[in-house]
Amino acid sequence: NAGVTQTPKFQVLKTGQSMTLQCAQDMNHNSMYWYRQDPGMGLRLIYYSASEGTTDKGEVPNGYNVSRLNKREFSLRLESAAPSQTSVYFCASSETWDRGRTNTEAFFGQGTRLTVV
Amino acid sequence: RKEVEQDPGPFNVPEGATVAFNCTYSNSASQSFFWYRQDCRKEPKLLMSVYSSGNEDGRFTAQLNRASQYISLLIRDSKLSDSATYLCVVSSGTASKLTFGTGTRLQVTL
Repeated sequence: NAGVTQTPKFQVLKTGQSMTLQCAQDMNHNSMYWYRQDPGMGLRLIYYSASEGTTDKGEVPNGYNVSRLNKREFSLRLESAAPSQTSVYFCASSETWDRGRTNTEAFFGQGTRLTVV
Repeated sequence: RKEVEQDPGPFNVPEGATVAFNCTYSNSASQSFFWYRQDCRKEPKLLMSVYSSGNEDGRFTAQLNRASQYISLLIRDSKLSDSATYLCVVSSGTASKLTFGTGTRLQVTL
């Protein structure tokens, strides 16, 4: 089973360049997420999408845009990369919590290691 | 105040020891609670969900105290393979938004 697939795994950008991180899941999950992880900061939520067609800002959305292309795919775009965006980016997906279901596990992709120079 | 707080450690324990981690959360409306494990340079993976009544999975026991808003993880008979970072995760709201603690690093030694 593929689960959550992220591309690329590694990327080096120059300041000001743009790029899109791709994420796809094959588990028919409604919710998808983009996190960044920095040393000593833990995982911080950039954007999330509770369902196809909706997106919401997380804790650190500045400098990023997202697109929920369909139920499977959720992309993260850096329009003008900055050195402060050097990080490891994780995409994740989960079932949407509702009153009939609790403890919905999130599944993560393998991460994208992005360096902005 | 952070939504989810953990002691970053590291906790250095000998093989066979019992070790406990605590985590506090600030949102009293939080609905779901988890412990994730993350190995170096890998993605987080679910270790166990945390239920109100407490739950056990082999050597691992998780407890939830809603009144005090904290979650705990107990690891008995530590193995070298338990060395990792343990992430406390809290979910609230209808969007299943997951909030992570910064993680507690565990190093089990011979």
